[in-house]
Amino acid sequence: AQSVTQPDIHITVSEGASLELRCNYSYGATPYLFWYVQSPGQGLQLLLKYFSGDTLVQGIKGFEAEFKRSQSSFNLRKPSVHWSDAAEYFCAVGEAGNNRKLIWGLGTSLAVNP
Amino acid sequence: NAGVTQTPKFQVLKTGQSMTLQCAQDMNHEYMSWYRQDPGMGLRLIHYSVGAGITDQGEVPNGYNVSRSTTEDFPLRLLSAAPSQTSVYFCASSYSNQGGTEAFFGQGTRLTVV
Repeated sequence: AQSVTQPDIHITVSEGASLELRCNYSYGATPYLFWYVQSPGQGLQLLLKYFSGDTLVQGIKGFEAEFKRSQSSFNLRKPSVHWSDAAEYFCAVGEAGNNRKLIWGLGTSLAVNP
Repeated sequence: NAGVTQTPKFQVLKTGQSMTLQCAQDMNHEYMSWYRQDPGMGLRLIHYSVGAGITDQGEVPNGYNVSRSTTEDFPLRLLSAAPSQTSVYFCASSYSNQGGTEAFFGQGTRLTVV
């Protein structure tokens, strides 16, 4: 069955430190991959997405993600975290031709220490 | 540009009451959907619509009705509220149903059923 796993429920980093949030997926075909961020009390906002081509994808707010087919992973990274990055991060997988089939991970909560 | 607007932001209902969660988008998007977000369960699709007059069920449709009389509006109706429907509800829209299309989310409605 198709699934998305975010192994880390909660991560705490210090401001200025680097960040990597993990996402693993199980999907039969080439997936469409997304990372969304949810700030407290807010809706979800798209950070970046991967469809094809270059496996390193740049997003908003200084985030990037790398698609690794051999590892079925799409990890999110940021070289230097800011306090405003504290939020919930969701990885999602979609299938071509059917946007309703988005499969969501359970999210990783990021806390940033000053 | 308002994007996706949900009302109300907060609501408390008594068991058995009915209510409608409102969702409106001003981006002329064809595809709209409703999710519920529960701790430890991620986002689950309730209902979706691929255009005015067309709706379909998601993975957790029981207890909810939707209609899509206009492109802009996609209200979600709770027929007889139950404590199990206590959740945060998100409305989302995208310009198409095709895989990989970015979804824009409202800020959510936090519903408590007592």
